[in-house]
Amino acid sequence: ETGVTQSPTHLIKTRGQQVTLRCSSQSGHNTVSWYQQALGQGPQFIFQYYREEENGRGNFPPRFSGLQFPNYSSELNVNALELDDSALYLCASSPDGTSGYTFGSGTRLTVV
Amino acid sequence: DQQVKQNSPSLSVQEGRISILNCDYTNSMFDYFLWYKKYPAEGPTFLISISSIKDKNEDGRFTVFLNKSAKHLSLHIVPSQPGDSAVYFCAANSGNTPLVFGKGTRLSVIA
Repeated sequence: ETGVTQSPTHLIKTRGQQVTLRCSSQSGHNTVSWYQQALGQGPQFIFQYYREEENGRGNFPPRFSGLQFPNYSSELNVNALELDDSALYLCASSPDGTSGYTFGSGTRLTVV
Repeated sequence: DQQVKQNSPSLSVQEGRISILNCDYTNSMFDYFLWYKKYPAEGPTFLISISSIKDKNEDGRFTVFLNKSAKHLSLHIVPSQPGDSAVYFCAANSGNTPLVFGKGTRLSVIA
């Protein structure tokens, strides 16, 4: 499988709810990173997984959590959604955690 | 604190002319710099990169220049084409640390 695919493409949730976003990485890509891109901002690093273990985290609260699976798929979970969580969420994968990252098209999350 | 800064939110250039996008960084540990291009409804696409051991890297119409002493890099696109119209992000990292992105510059190439 080539490329990075994310689902869903768009999502509307209510404040306080929980959401799960999904990402399917390129085969052989052991590293996956998640980014949040708010309007008018650059992507902000949330966390990174390598071989199913978290190995880096940005300045995001614990209600942002993730999982990586052996089949190169991963999830981003956000609990207790807040209005400021509205953003584009990007998944990026790399074969070795260096700079050769491939990004998905993102999931646009709107919290109302 | 913003470690990677793109101070120009937007830039308009005529088709055929040179586009110059600028980026400044504050973290002296960064040793790898990248430019990504993003169209609406798509994820960022890698464009070109440069290692800190170099001061220039060229790939077709795209050239990236790195001035380590000034902690500044720039992306030159020549000649600019309408299809180059997109948001350009500068990013940097060190080793296998996460990419740190700037806020982006929206380039409009006018035919």
